[in-house]
Amino acid sequence: GAGVSQTPSNKVTEKGKYVELRCDPISGHTALYWYRQSLGQGPEFLIYFQGTGAADDSGLPNDRFFAVRPEGSVSTLKIQRTERGDSAVYLCASSPGTLALASSGTDTQYFGPGTRLTVL
Amino acid sequence: AQKITQTQPGMFVQEKEAVTLDCTYDTSDPSYGLFWYKQPSSGEMIFLIYQGSYDQQNATEGRYSLNFQKARKSANLVISASQLGDSAMYFCAMREGIDDMRFGAGTRLTVKP
Repeated sequence: GAGVSQTPSNKVTEKGKYVELRCDPISGHTALYWYRQSLGQGPEFLIYFQGTGAADDSGLPNDRFFAVRPEGSVSTLKIQRTERGDSAVYLCASSPGTLALASSGTDTQYFGPGTRLTVL
Repeated sequence: AQKITQTQPGMFVQEKEAVTLDCTYDTSDPSYGLFWYKQPSSGEMIFLIYQGSYDQQNATEGRYSLNFQKARKSANLVISASQLGDSAMYFCAMREGIDDMRFGAGTRLTVKP
């Protein structure tokens, strides 16, 4: 079956521009996560959706970052007024998201290939 | 405070030998999960192995095994019979209940022929 897909694979933009990054999770997975990975570091949590709602957005660095998942499947991460410091790989992951798995910490996340964002 | 610590920025292993990648964690939550991911140069995070805090036995998946020492809060990954294709970054991660997953800084493994 298809894994998590992300588009575009690469995005180059100019400082101050607006960008949208898309994530298509594994079919049937109710939980979806966005992470940001800077060079030489581990992924850093941004936001987590359970269905259509953002269950935890505590990782979003500021109000220029916003994410939606209107129908509980595809998600879009939106970054306004991009800055050079936003340059990173943005990873999306999905998991089955059942309450039993999530509450026991066992809900395995499967990652997409990422979108490499470069802000010039 | 750092919740996941990987103290080895880089490791080398000879092909066909075993290697252990260290991971220690910090939590007061009795229910948590520990994960290891592999990230080759292509960038995709590949799930390798999972250990639950209540699991009595160490997890194993093919050539991967997790040496889980709960009292010491360590969850080291053991790769047996290393292959050239094992060269990659390896990340340890922890999820506490329904909270977000925290990753360590990673260990770069290089397998030498």
